[in-house]
Amino acid sequence: QKEVEQNSGPLSVPEGAIASLNCTYSDRGSQSFFWYRQYSGKSPELIMSIYSNGDKEDGRFTAQLNKASQYVSLLIRDSQPSDSATYLCAVNFDSNYQLIWGAGTKLIIKP
Amino acid sequence: DGGITQSPKYLFRKEGQNVTLSCEQNLNHDAMYWYRQDPGQGLRLIYYSQIVNDFQKGDIAEGYSVSREKKESFPLTVTSAQKNPTAFYLCASSVRGNQPQHFGDGTRLSIL
Repeated sequence: QKEVEQNSGPLSVPEGAIASLNCTYSDRGSQSFFWYRQYSGKSPELIMSIYSNGDKEDGRFTAQLNKASQYVSLLIRDSQPSDSATYLCAVNFDSNYQLIWGAGTKLIIKP
Repeated sequence: DGGITQSPKYLFRKEGQNVTLSCEQNLNHDAMYWYRQDPGQGLRLIYYSQIVNDFQKGDIAEGYSVSREKKESFPLTVTSAQKNPTAFYLCASSVRGNQPQHFGDGTRLSIL
């Protein structure tokens, strides 16, 4: 069974601090990894894609991938109240067209 | 602007009725997907299509049907066999399987 695990939270972080979100997955053959943000009542929007080991930075967001340990993380620097949302991790385990989704971590940024 | 359009935004179903949710994309993506999301839960795959005139069942296909007659369109029918259809339905598309998926705004389906 291919699984993607996330802590459901809520994760509470003070404004201006670094928020760290983690995701673990079950299959070492996984190829593609994605982080989505979903505001309450809205559809998910893509924040980051990462395909190889290491860090990938985009503005205040950094995705970190460690295939040996089977985890992918998302760091949000200088957290803002507008970052409060549920963050979904999705993994493509092989060349098929399915993404396996985590249940999401609810992030709350406190002013 | 390129994107994915889902309609209607809200839909109400009567007992024993089939309803169809529309999904249209102008991103020229080959792959399209339908997900169901229940409150506080993650996304569950209903059906996906890699190419026109072909589609595969996802994890929760029972009570649902789809068609893919055009590259741009992937409608979902919620049949009367789906006994608990109340949920948020999301349509997505991607260039191909290992590429990011992009979502429409969703349709909220409720029972009358």
